[in-house]
Amino acid sequence: SQQGEEDPQALSIQEGENATMNCSYKTSINNLQWYRQNSGRGLVHLILIRSNEREKHSGRLRVTLDTSKKSSSLLITASRAADTASYFCATDGGGSEKLVFGKGTKLTVNP
Amino acid sequence: SQTIHQWPATLVQPVGSPLSLECTVEGTSNPNLYWYRQAAGRGLQLLFYSVGIGQISSEVPQNLSASRPQDRQFILSSKKLLLSDSGFYLCAWSVNRAHYTFGSGTRLTVV
Repeated sequence: SQQGEEDPQALSIQEGENATMNCSYKTSINNLQWYRQNSGRGLVHLILIRSNEREKHSGRLRVTLDTSKKSSSLLITASRAADTASYFCATDGGGSEKLVFGKGTKLTVNP
Repeated sequence: SQTIHQWPATLVQPVGSPLSLECTVEGTSNPNLYWYRQAAGRGLQLLFYSVGIGQISSEVPQNLSASRPQDRQFILSSKKLLLSDSGFYLCAWSVNRAHYTFGSGTRLTVV
């Protein structure tokens, strides 16, 4: 069954604005990862945050993790049209060899 | 360098025909290997994963099977395809579970 659930399902913003996507999960995790998928393509790893971390940055990306609420957020600052893609969170649970994905947020950045 | 190859990119198969999708990894040893399926506009569903040669874990009961005849080769198969098998199939590998690398995917249409 799905572990992560992203919201919103779809997000449309203007270039230059910030985009925030959220992810909630149900069980304990070792880490939470965010991936990006361009239409009809494979997934690209963006960032990983471990269960003992609260915030992580990578370029224009900022990820937060609240293990007490079992939630994470991905913030893309100063968005660009090229950021248009679907974004997925995925959780790696303790003792498991598998990564479980949410349903994703489809982000559209309008020029 | 580490790469993952997945083919074919697209496939149209009639109902009842067999299926064989192949995924190979280069540049790493003893990776964990994964098959995911993505239905149109949906998230990723884990189908199978393998932690070693001949070791296959199935996540969902269905019309598909997987095999790992070599360390860096993962094959997804079906004896008789159903319409519901249509989707986007993604192979992935991971060594430390902190970073999953995905292939470019196979879009399967069963007609």
